[in-house]
Amino acid sequence: DAGITQSPRHKVTETGTPVTLRCHQTENHRYMYWYRQDPGHGLRLIHYSYGVKDTDKGEVSDGYSVSRSKTEDFLLTLESATSSQTSVYFCAIRKGLAGDYYTDTQYFGPGTRLTVL
Amino acid sequence: RKEVEQDPGPFNVPEGATVAFNCTYSNSASQSFFWYRQDCRKEPKLLMSVYSSGNEDGRFTAQLNRASQYISLLIRDSKLSDSATYLCVVNPADRGSTLGRLYFGRGTQLTVWP
Repeated sequence: DAGITQSPRHKVTETGTPVTLRCHQTENHRYMYWYRQDPGHGLRLIHYSYGVKDTDKGEVSDGYSVSRSKTEDFLLTLESATSSQTSVYFCAIRKGLAGDYYTDTQYFGPGTRLTVL
Repeated sequence: RKEVEQDPGPFNVPEGATVAFNCTYSNSASQSFFWYRQDCRKEPKLLMSVYSSGNEDGRFTAQLNRASQYISLLIRDSKLSDSATYLCVVNPADRGSTLGRLYFGRGTQLTVWP
């Protein structure tokens, strides 16, 4: 258990509305990630953060923005939700297993299931 | 070419069977590899890490073949509770590694039936 929570766990919203998902961690990890998971695509990286106020884009960042004002919180915002953003969203933290970055892996939060009508 | 390729399955096996999944990766410089398990409607969870030629944990054995650039996961004496999707994950040992980037396969679905 890496002490990661996500909120809300489920959300239904309408096309065109803004939506913010929250990821909260309790272990002071520097790196945090947002993924979406869809059938046939697997996990795809949306954005990641390597410190407070330090963020960068992943492979599917269009239509999403992120913010990290505190180490423990990483927010994902869908600026104007579309039906193509219906998905399961996972947050993850980076954690080393053996002391160098080659062995680092990630631990995931429980996910948010988002439906955009 | 995708960084990590997996056979999506599904694999349907009876209890007690031995089943093996394969995964290939494209970056020959990759240093470390992982298998994750994902239950239906749950988050992926780390199952095993592989840094050298292989790793064994009870009924689970992960093997690495660097020459052929593939990783395998062997499950012996399958249990009903092994039913899940198994994700192959690669730490690419490139610049992305310094940012903690990992490459995920799409997963192999396993169903163990009584």
